[in-house]
Amino acid sequence: AQKITQTQPGMFVQEKEAVTLDCTYDTSDQSYGLFWYKQPSSGEMIFLIYQGSYDEQNATEGRYSLNFQKARKSANLVISASQLGDSAMYFCAVEWSGGGADGLTFGKGTHLIIQP
Amino acid sequence: EPEVTQTPSHQVTQMGQEVILRCVPISNHLYFYWYRQILGQKVEFLVSFYNNEISEKSEIFDDQFSVERPDGSNFTLKIRSTKLEDSAMYFCASSVLAGGSSSYNEQFFGPGTRLTVL
Repeated sequence: AQKITQTQPGMFVQEKEAVTLDCTYDTSDQSYGLFWYKQPSSGEMIFLIYQGSYDEQNATEGRYSLNFQKARKSANLVISASQLGDSAMYFCAVEWSGGGADGLTFGKGTHLIIQP
Repeated sequence: EPEVTQTPSHQVTQMGQEVILRCVPISNHLYFYWYRQILGQKVEFLVSFYNNEISEKSEIFDDQFSVERPDGSNFTLKIRSTKLEDSAMYFCASSVLAGGSSSYNEQFFGPGTRLTVL
């Protein structure tokens, strides 16, 4: 079965430092999409960044960038200059390209806490 | 900015009762999804819907669940006879496209409905 692994259940980071959240996935598919979502304590799911498997350049959105290494099947999220408001759960997700709307497969998440 | 809306935000029901969770996807989106998140766990895919029929469904989506798009705007999830283990946050999401290979696959999530089964 296709699987997503987030190896860091929790992380403590000092404010203003950069953060790297790990995500690896297991698939034999060539076409897929990688997503990162943020879930603050209020519970909503906030889309952060997307990377297509055929995109050659790493995706960036403001302070978020995705370190995509296709051969290693990893899609790490990098948050530059962390802020207190970045404290939340972060989920990596993959949409496999099975021909239909397969939905997203999520990892178990990383609980990020930014300390002042 | 367009957004996915869900009602109610919180529903409490007795075991064995039927519940209907409602969602209004973003108007120009074509694919609709339901996910659930049991407290403290990861988000799990339930079902996707396209062109007025189910596109894909997970093992979780058994005969107790059904989805419907009764009109041009609403998308509903019905649980026929709720069980204690159905207690979770239910998220609706929508996207323009699906299939993984385009940024138009971005799924916009609603704020969720917290279902509590007593």
